[in-house]
Amino acid sequence: NAGVTQTPKFRVLKTGQSMTLLCAQDMNHEYMYWYRQDPGMGLRLIHYSVGEGTTAKGEVPDGYNVSRLKKQNFLLGLESAAPSQTSVYFCASTNTLGDRGVRETQYFGPGTRLLVL
Amino acid sequence: GENVEQHPSTLSVQEGDSAVIKCTYSDSASNYFPWYKQELGKGPQLIIDIRSNVGEKKDQRIAVTLNKTAKHFSLHITETQPEDSAVYFCASKGGIKAAGNKLTFGGGTRVLVKP
Repeated sequence: NAGVTQTPKFRVLKTGQSMTLLCAQDMNHEYMYWYRQDPGMGLRLIHYSVGEGTTAKGEVPDGYNVSRLKKQNFLLGLESAAPSQTSVYFCASTNTLGDRGVRETQYFGPGTRLLVL
Repeated sequence: GENVEQHPSTLSVQEGDSAVIKCTYSDSASNYFPWYKQELGKGPQLIIDIRSNVGEKKDQRIAVTLNKTAKHFSLHITETQPEDSAVYFCASKGGIKAAGNKLTFGGGTRVLVKP
């Protein structure tokens, strides 16, 4: 199993450009999450999904959109990038609450480093 | 919503000494408390977790304690080694009413183990 993978690993954008970050997991997890990590601020939840075709806002959703067309993929979009979106983006996935014998922990991808000039 | 405070933000210890990181949470319904280790350039990885019905859990050199009354939990690393140098995050998950199995993370602690 590859676990959680993210593409691209690194990207430089100019202000106003758009891009999509891709997250894929091969663990058949229902729940998926997008976080951003900024120095001294830990991990902050942007959006999450509790299953194929569903999405919900997290703590810092403004400026981002997401889609979950397939269970294994979770896409994060920036329609018009701003310098404030310079960050490291992490995707994570987990099983649903209540699965017997299954840990609730979230499994993280390796991250995408985004620089917006 | 849930708020998690983590201290200290940086911790420098001599190899072989112990390291302790403390976190407090605000939601008394929180029932799951994982700890993650993040090495440079990588994503966070779970190192240990504890549920609200347990007061302490140990895994080799790592232990976690939970005080539900005071709403705080701690990570203890004994006999530290250079490979323990990393950023550590605590997190909490709300109770049954928390949607989406969401975790709230502390701000992180950068641990440096000096040889």
